[in-house]
Amino acid sequence: SAVISQKPSRDICQRGTSLTIQCQVDSQVTMMFWYRQQPGQSLTLIATANQGSEATYESGFVIDKFPISRPNLTFSTLTVSNMSPEDSSIYLCSVGTTDTDTQYFGPGTRLTVL
Amino acid sequence: AQKVTQAQTEISVVEKEDVTLDCVYETRDTTYYLFWYKQPPSGELVFLIRRNSFDEQNEISGRYSWNFQKSTSSFNFTITASQVVDSAVYFCALSERNTGRRALTFGSGTRLQVQP
Repeated sequence: SAVISQKPSRDICQRGTSLTIQCQVDSQVTMMFWYRQQPGQSLTLIATANQGSEATYESGFVIDKFPISRPNLTFSTLTVSNMSPEDSSIYLCSVGTTDTDTQYFGPGTRLTVL
Repeated sequence: AQKVTQAQTEISVVEKEDVTLDCVYETRDTTYYLFWYKQPPSGELVFLIRRNSFDEQNEISGRYSWNFQKSTSSFNFTITASQVVDSAVYFCALSERNTGRRALTFGSGTRLQVQP
């Protein structure tokens, strides 16, 4: 499986600021996704990161709040904009293949908003 | 819409006991995949198994085994002779093929505590 890294691994941010999370994969992948895991909760899909085009967002998530870029097949960024304490979560990127749908996850970014 | 239910929020067992984690799913698709992931205290999500909707054979991997039953829409996970290192949150997940949407829908997770 691909090796996935995320930066930063954790951060503490002030309300109203923005944070950009990077996801780097060691090989080209077709599918990349961004998930959010709120404290003690399950994973919720934010969006599918599409290479060379706008991301596909799930209900309840909007581009203005969570802009995503995917300039190539190995890299993507997720920005959490105008943060509030409710955005405190673990943000995970994942990569997958179209033949089996198996997804492999990065180590996550633990975000705390004060 | 698809849904995954893990009714057991938390399970506590003593080392060497067998434990079964339940997963029930709902989908309208005829073609789908089911998954189990493990999330240890470190937080990283570890892929354990994938099963497609056309393959109802049970699978065994060491102390782990999985029981897939389409008739009851269940995909249960059994750990035999549990160990302290099995302590983690376990997630069941579903992906649907017919819609072309490849994202995973996760259950709420079951926290397993294995006491020494």
